[in-house]
Amino acid sequence: KAGVTQTPRYLIKTRGQQVTLSCSPISGHRSVSWYQQTPGQGLQFLFEYFSETQRNKGNFPGRFSGRQFSNSRSEMNVSTLELGDSALYLCASSFSSGDSPEAFFGQGTRLTVV
Amino acid sequence: AQKVTQAQTEISVVEKEDVTLDCVYETRDTTYYLFWYKQPPSGELVFLIRRNSFDEQNEISGRYSWNFQKSTSSFNFTITASQVVDSAVYFCALSGMNSGYSTLTFGKGTMLLVSP
Repeated sequence: KAGVTQTPRYLIKTRGQQVTLSCSPISGHRSVSWYQQTPGQGLQFLFEYFSETQRNKGNFPGRFSGRQFSNSRSEMNVSTLELGDSALYLCASSFSSGDSPEAFFGQGTRLTVV
Repeated sequence: AQKVTQAQTEISVVEKEDVTLDCVYETRDTTYYLFWYKQPPSGELVFLIRRNSFDEQNEISGRYSWNFQKSTSSFNFTITASQVVDSAVYFCALSGMNSGYSTLTFGKGTMLLVSP
């Protein structure tokens, strides 16, 4: 069974630009969540999508947005990039049920803003 | 609000030593889940185990064991006879009914270095 796939693996962008990251969940998983990992703040929840609807949102500015498609694939967009947005962005998918709540993560996209 | 505390930032051991990683959590949810993840240098978070708040049974899986104690809000992870391949950052995480089971609150992680 294929795992969670994130593309691209690495990105270098300039301040002020925007970026789109992609995540393909495990087959059958309808929940996709995004996390930002930095050395200073650790792992922080960005948002979760379930059946194409944003179900939960973390404490991030509106420059961070996302969406989910009918095949459960998800994209995350960051506009007007700042140096502080440099991070590892991790996507996770799950069944999101009480019986099987565990999330499975992709390898992440490492974004560097210069 | 939920909170996960991993007080140990970094642990160094020599191969074959036993090591315990501590995790203390706070939550107002009556139903919640606790998780441990391993993050090797490649960056991917690897799921290790999940515990439900109503199941305090300890669990052993090979060299790994987990001790969940609701009375002390702790969910500790022990590696027996550690190996070099165990070197990684280990994260404890929590999700609850009110915040959504898919919304994980992570601790800061414990970096484990196992030397030959």
